[in-house]
Amino acid sequence: AQTVTQSQPEMSVQEAETVTLSCTYDTSESDYYLFWYKQPPSRQMILVIRQEAYKQQNATENRFSVNFQKAAKSFSLKISDSQLGDAAMYFCAYRSASGANSKLTFGKGITLSVRP
Amino acid sequence: DGGITQSPKYLFRKEGQNVTLSCEQNLNHDAMYWYRQDPGQGLRLIYYSQIVNDFQKGDIAEGYSVSREKKESFPLTVTSAQKNPTAFYLCASSIWGRGSNQPQHFGDGTRLSIL
Repeated sequence: AQTVTQSQPEMSVQEAETVTLSCTYDTSESDYYLFWYKQPPSRQMILVIRQEAYKQQNATENRFSVNFQKAAKSFSLKISDSQLGDAAMYFCAYRSASGANSKLTFGKGITLSVRP
Repeated sequence: DGGITQSPKYLFRKEGQNVTLSCEQNLNHDAMYWYRQDPGQGLRLIYYSQIVNDFQKGDIAEGYSVSREKKESFPLTVTSAQKNPTAFYLCASSIWGRGSNQPQHFGDGTRLSIL
């Protein structure tokens, strides 16, 4: 079974600075997808970014980028020019590409606070 | 706009009572999911359904039941057998199929509490 670990329960960043959120996972599969979701105080889950394991290039979405290290099974999220609206819980999630379903395995999440 | 609607937003359950949480989607997604979220636990999968009239247990299915009579609807019943039902419940949907990198889309959730 796959597992996703987010070892830092909380992080803080100064507004306009850069922060990196860590995520590691354990799998024996070679083909899979990885996601970062954001959950603001409203509790809605919002997709931030996704990465296909077969792609070597790291995904980027505006101020959000990932550092995907397949051999190390690491998938960190970098937030540049942090804004107050970035304050939220962030979840890393794994999905197998070989299974016939779309089940996600989530980490326990990181609470990010942004200092003005 | 397409999306997922969960209702009610807040729900209270009395001891020994079954309650049903509603989830409706108009995204034309085949797959639907129910997650439970507790503080410090992340999201845990309760049940999922890939197609109408079929569903599978997730990691924490005990004390819960579901039905999938329509593609758009996937209600979750929290039965009296679930001894610790207080949690935040999230419904999600996605395109079904291997090889798809499409993400799951989530509803706004239902907060269930014990009276």
